[in-house]
Amino acid sequence: QKEVEQNSGPLSVPEGAIASLNCTYSDRGSQSFFWYRQYSGKSPELIMSIYSNGDKEDGRFTAQLNKASQYVSLLIRDSQPSDSATYLCAASGTYKYIFGTGTRLKVLA
Amino acid sequence: EPEVTQTPSHQVTQMGQEVILRCVPISNHLYFYWYRQILGQKVEFLVSFYNNEISEKSEIFDDQFSVERPDGSNFTLKIRSTKLEDSAMYFCVPRTGGSYNEQFFGPGTRLTVL
Repeated sequence: QKEVEQNSGPLSVPEGAIASLNCTYSDRGSQSFFWYRQYSGKSPELIMSIYSNGDKEDGRFTAQLNKASQYVSLLIRDSQPSDSATYLCAASGTYKYIFGTGTRLKVLA
Repeated sequence: EPEVTQTPSHQVTQMGQEVILRCVPISNHLYFYWYRQILGQKVEFLVSFYNNEISEKSEIFDDQFSVERPDGSNFTLKIRSTKLEDSAMYFCVPRTGGSYNEQFFGPGTRLTVL
């Protein structure tokens, strides 16, 4: 069974701090990895994708991938209250995505 | 920006009734995925659909489910005899192409089975 694991949280960080979200996956055949942000009652919104080992930065977001450890992370710098949401990690080997349960992030003003 | 619209936004139905959820692409997509998310749970893959054929389906996608492209402009997900456990958000997601298969979710349809 192919799985993506995330800590459900909530992860609470003060405004302006760095939020670190983690994800592990079981299928070594996974090649692409994605982070989505989901506000309550809304659809998932793609915020980052990563395919190669190392770091990928986009604005305040940095995705990190370590295929040897089967580990993906998302760092959010200068966290804002508007970043409070559930963050979903997804892995893709062929085309369909396998999602984790999500980590709920709370940024405290 | 989502590349599809989904209708209805919210569907309430009685157990045992048939429901049809619609997905209308904004661009000329041919390859779609349907996912569902039960409240408080993970997003789950249901089926992928390409050029009027199912490419892949999950264990969830049993004989009660079907997908169609009834005309050239929209795609449908049908649940023949709804069960309470079918209550969920259903998302239509076009495959936008490219090497990395980034998927942008539509707004979803909330299905409530009473």
